[in-house]
Amino acid sequence: GDSVTQMEGPVTLSEEAFLTINCTYTATGYPSLFWYVQYPGEGLQLLLKATKADDKGSNKGFEATYRKETTSFHLEKGSVQVSDSAVYFCALSDRTGFQKLVFGTGTRLLVSP
Amino acid sequence: GAGVSQSPSNKVTEKGKDVELRCDPISGHTALYWYRQSLGQGLEFLIYFQGNSAPDKSGLPSDRFSAERTGGSVSTLTIQRTQQEDSAVYLCASSPEINEQYFGPGTRLTVT
Repeated sequence: GDSVTQMEGPVTLSEEAFLTINCTYTATGYPSLFWYVQYPGEGLQLLLKATKADDKGSNKGFEATYRKETTSFHLEKGSVQVSDSAVYFCALSDRTGFQKLVFGTGTRLLVSP
Repeated sequence: GAGVSQSPSNKVTEKGKDVELRCDPISGHTALYWYRQSLGQGLEFLIYFQGNSAPDKSGLPSDRFSAERTGGSVSTLTIQRTQQEDSAVYLCASSPEINEQYFGPGTRLTVT
């Protein structure tokens, strides 16, 4: 079945550092790809998405590019802030089905001042 | 506008008791999903509703779990004869269209 693999955390960075969280996927079709974020004590929020190969999703300074050839959707941000500390989940949905989300295990990001 | 709401936010129950978890989706959203977030299993899909029908129940872990949706709106997830392994955060999401799922804050269920 479909699956998502993302790097284990925690990822610990200083403020203004560059962030990369790796995500790769396995899918039989051509899924849509997502990054969700869960801030402490809050629910899951959609951060960005991409629906086809070579699409770039972006939001709040975060970016991720849908790479079909490497089946990857790595999350990047040029300069992280303390307020970015959260758990980040990579996910896919199969557009041919009912579009249920398949999630990675989540990566905790800790940003220190 | 109002987002997805879930109640209760926390539920502690004794092993063997039944529990009901409620989800109020965003008004007008036809699709509704239940997921479970647990330490051992991560985030898992449970069931999908389109309107009041559930064409995909493939994620329900056992026949102790059931769900219904009425009026194309509110959904209830019922767990009968709860077990300790049912302890998790149960998340509801609704969607107006393809590729946009909006999540509620979740119900944290603890089975003692």
